[in-house]
Amino acid sequence: GAVVSQHPSRVICKSGTSVKIECRSLDFQATTMFWYRQFPKQSLMLMATSNEGSKATYEQGVEKDKFLINHASLTLSTLTVTSAHPEDSSFYICSARGRVDTGELFFGEGSRLTVL
Amino acid sequence: SQKIEQNSEALNIQEGKTATLTCNYTNYSPAYLQWYRQDPGRGPVFLLLIRENEKEKRKERLKVTFDTTLKQSLFHITASQPADSATYLCALSDSGTYKYIFGTGTRLKVLA
Repeated sequence: GAVVSQHPSRVICKSGTSVKIECRSLDFQATTMFWYRQFPKQSLMLMATSNEGSKATYEQGVEKDKFLINHASLTLSTLTVTSAHPEDSSFYICSARGRVDTGELFFGEGSRLTVL
Repeated sequence: SQKIEQNSEALNIQEGKTATLTCNYTNYSPAYLQWYRQDPGRGPVFLLLIRENEKEKRKERLKVTFDTTLKQSLFHITASQPADSATYLCALSDSGTYKYIFGTGTRLKVLA
């Protein structure tokens, strides 16, 4: 299956700093990528849809100025958590569409963010 | 609002038995339904996808059914093994959007 790589897998930062998480599709071109957030023992919550070359579409309640998403190429999307606070600590996961019209979605390994 | 419920938060079964997990949804007419496996601290891994016009899908020891009248999907793992222990998530999407809504998951534990 298609491979999606996410980096870093773990990051610890101080409150007030910004953190960038990268999501790469390694063996296919992903016109659309999705960013999710997952709290312990809870399900994945869709944060935004990232389309290559255009602005991301954010879900209701997600601050776009807080979570900056850039999809500069067909294989890379980045999520930047700006001015991070302890409540932003979470597991962030990206995914990408597979082949056209299959409905399949492939996920990265996730990034654990801890804000001190 | 759209709602997805997975039958139980946790399910324990004996090795060799068939595990059956349930995914029910309301206020939604999905075109695609997927099942994922998620291990602690890892991203979800795709298992099976079934479309609204399909009743059943199989892959090795896995079987998924999709009943759009009952608004329910059943996920079966036959001849279960301890290595099958994980959280299993169902996810639904409209046609074309790929915006999947996820259930809360069922933690399956297969006892040796």
